Amino acid sequence: EPEVTQTPSHQVTQMGQEVILRCVPISNHLYFYWYRQILGQKVEFLVSFYNNEISEKSEIFDDQFSVERPDGSNFTLKIRSTKLEDSAMYFCASNVGNSNQPQHFGDGTRLSIL
Amino acid sequence: AQKVTQAQTEISVVEKEDVTLDCVYETRDTTYYLFWYKQPPSGELVFLIRRNSFDEQNEISGRYSWNFQKSTSSFNFTITASQVVDSAVYFCALSVGFGGTSYGKLTFGQGTILTVHP
Repeated sequence: EPEVTQTPSHQVTQMGQEVILRCVPISNHLYFYWYRQILGQKVEFLVSFYNNEISEKSEIFDDQFSVERPDGSNFTLKIRSTKLEDSAMYFCASNVGNSNQPQHFGDGTRLSIL
Repeated sequence: AQKVTQAQTEISVVEKEDVTLDCVYETRDTTYYLFWYKQPPSGELVFLIRRNSFDEQNEISGRYSWNFQKSTSSFNFTITASQVVDSAVYFCALSVGFGGTSYGKLTFGQGTILTVHP
């Protein structure tokens, strides 16, 4: 069964550095998402992406964040200047665009900011 | 705006007991979709079940069953004859689907930690 893949599984970065998290959504899916889960807390929506542009974003997704689909397969989340509070698990998800279908999640990237 | 509340922070049961996880949701949309996801200790999010707002028929799938009641805005999930491998965090989530200004995002509850003891 096709799956969403995320790399790396764990990223350790110094505060203030830029970090790029990578995702390969399922190939025929049209909608892509990033979610964040701070340790021990709930999963929070960051941004959705459709037709090569951001379709919706949360208040968490400030100017430090950006997303890109640089080619036909990758979907990236960039954090420009990381802060300690950016430490979290970041999940990528995709959906074919059918409300009756669930979002398919990757296994997540654990981001640790030192 | 949508909101999902899981009032049970932690539940502890002994293997083979039945356990019900509660979920209450809020939305102004008349069409919406409810989900349960499981997050085992390894951290990934595993889709379990989905329900549409226009279908209140409750179903059973193996050891899983769910009770969807629009009148009380609840979408409860039951595991029958629980097993140690069911130990995980369970999240209830809501989406208003696709169309208009909706792009399928999920709003999650806070999660319920389920521990099944042998």
